[in-house]
Formats: sequence, structure tokens, C-alpha cells
Amino acid sequence: EVQLVQSGAEVKEPGTTVKISCKVSGYSVTDYQMHWVQQAPGKGLEWMGLLDPEGGKAIYAENFQGRVTITADTSTDTVFLELSGLRSEDTALYYCATPHESNHFDYWGQGTLVTVSS
Amino acid sequence: DIQMTQSPSSLSASVGDTVTITCRASQSISWHLNWYQQKPGKAPKLLISAASNLQRGVPSRFSGSGSGTDFTLTIRGLQPEDYATYYCQQSYTSWTFGQGTKVDIK
Repeated sequence: EVQLVQSGAEVKEPGTTVKISCKVSGYSVTDYQMHWVQQAPGKGLEWMGLLDPEGGKAIYAENFQGRVTITADTSTDTVFLELSGLRSEDTALYYCATPHESNHFDYWGQGTLVTVSS
Repeated sequence: DIQMTQSPSSLSASVGDTVTITCRASQSISWHLNWYQQKPGKAPKLLISAASNLQRGVPSRFSGSGSGTDFTLTIRGLQPEDYATYYCQQSYTSWTFGQGTKVDIK
């Protein structure tokens, strides 16, 4: 059974960096892409980027370019999202999601709440 | 970037009603359109892929149609468990979500 289990909630000060994780089971992170999606409180879904297992290349959405880094630890089947230069607008739920058939997101993590506050 | 516009942004409907949500792309995306359902406090759930492919386990009262730039999600015979927010997503070039349509109780 495929499962994506994300790390717990984080509270960060403005200007700092947060790194959250998404541990998969039921498959290997080297088999499928992993995407990250942001959802601000009461708002919609925004695609942030992906890690492509073919060559380990990451692709980022323009809105997050320069502040986001997606990496993986293949030994633990865990994918990481790092977001730097945090500001209050980054307060949001962050979801990992993976497409196993074509280009739609079949499986999702439970979400990680990041709160940016001084 | 491809922009996705959903309408309406919210609607009220009664159990048993037929609900239609539309999604328009800023350019042609062929059939690369997916629909998700999100309930409060939960991750989105994939309902329909490739415009009209109902996912395994999703009730047949849900259906999707369209191609090119205009797409529709229809729920026939709305059930209490269908009250949620629905998002379209294009996967033709990169990935973009619509702003969501909240379906609540009338």
C-alpha cells in the first residue's frame, strides 16, 4: 500500500529556513516523481515544484524559484522540501503528492503546517 | 503560464441536486485536466483524470467532460458526503490548479 507520511508542524521566524519531509512506503522514491503543493489558510492549491527521479532533477514553479529546494534521501525513501527566506505569506499547509499513473496526483501526504511568526 | 479559472467560486445545493462546475484554461490543454475533491482538514483526493476518467472507487454520480479549454465536473444526485471544495488542475504544461469551488448545503 502506498503511503506518504509527512513531518510535523513547524513554527519559524521570518527570514529563516524550514525543511519538511515526506517519507514514502509501498514504493521507492526512485520510481516516481514527487511534487509539493502549498495551501495558504482558506486559500487554494499552488504547485511549488517537483523532484524527478530520472537524473534527480528538480523543477520549481516561478513563484518559488530561488527560495525552494527539493531533495531526496533514497536510503530512507524520504523527500524533502526546503523553503528559505520565510515570510508571513509562507504560513500554509504543504503537501507532498506523487503521480503513479500519467500526470495526475494519485497519492498525497497528510500535509505539514508551517507557521511563520515572530 | 497556463491559468485555470473555475466557476462558480462557491455554490449552495441540496441533497439530490445536480451540480455543475466549470473550468476554463487560458490556452488549449487537450484532455490534460484533472479534478480533485478536498474536505476540511484533509488532503485533496483525485476524482477524475484526463478530463473524464473516473478513478477507481469514486462513485459514478461524478463525471467529467470537455477538451481544449473548457471542462465540466458534474455531480448527479448530490450526497451529504459530497459537500467539499473541488479543484481542477491542468497537467499539460507544468501543473496549475483552479481557484476552487466550494459546494455547501442549501
